[in-house]
Amino acid sequence: ETGVTQTPRHLVMGMTNKKSLKCEQHLGHNAMYWYKQSAKKPLELMFVYNFKEQTENNSVPSRFSPECPNSSHLFLHLHTLQPEDSALYLCASSQDGVQDPRIIQYFGAGTRLSVL
Amino acid sequence: AQKVTQAQTEISVVEKEDVTLDCVYETRDTTYYLFWYKQPPSGELVFLIRRNSFDEQNEISGRYSWNFQKSTSSFNFTITASQVVDSAVYFCALSEAQGGSEKLVFGKGTKLTVNP
Repeated sequence: ETGVTQTPRHLVMGMTNKKSLKCEQHLGHNAMYWYKQSAKKPLELMFVYNFKEQTENNSVPSRFSPECPNSSHLFLHLHTLQPEDSALYLCASSQDGVQDPRIIQYFGAGTRLSVL
Repeated sequence: AQKVTQAQTEISVVEKEDVTLDCVYETRDTTYYLFWYKQPPSGELVFLIRRNSFDEQNEISGRYSWNFQKSTSSFNFTITASQVVDSAVYFCALSEAQGGSEKLVFGKGTKLTVNP
């Protein structure tokens, strides 16, 4: 596999469920990101990890809990979500540093989440 | 604050027509990067181009061309002789060129439909 892979592609969950989204990048990058894409809204940055350390939490509710065990894997743990959390969740990775092609973020195909 | 405006929500053209997608940005930084991404129905954001703020040369890649004008803070994208496969949502994005993880600010996207 190449690029950024996200699983599952589709997820339906109830408000009391606990589930996790997985992202894996095969590009050798050192930074990973979670974005939320809701209908008719711009992509919203949720979390940033750089060298496995969280460097950004964009005021995301605690019902979303990220985990980055290594530079290749990123998880988003979900619990007690609300219907308004239904969206496409996109993962991205980039190579942060001083040399090109830094700061180009490469995206996965996303997980389409529906909260009932 | 940084902001990206894509005023065209939806555009519909007939195959072989030329189409221009507009992007206007706001930033106080003198060093920044601009991007275009394509999001086909499959969901994955596909990187198309990155332009830094010091390079105002227009770029052409096959049927795609980009017109960067700092004087009007615009970074427009033109598809020449459009094809049905060009149908997608196109996002313009802005990033600050500072150390650490990069944050992209996205426009709301323009949905392009190319009809046969």
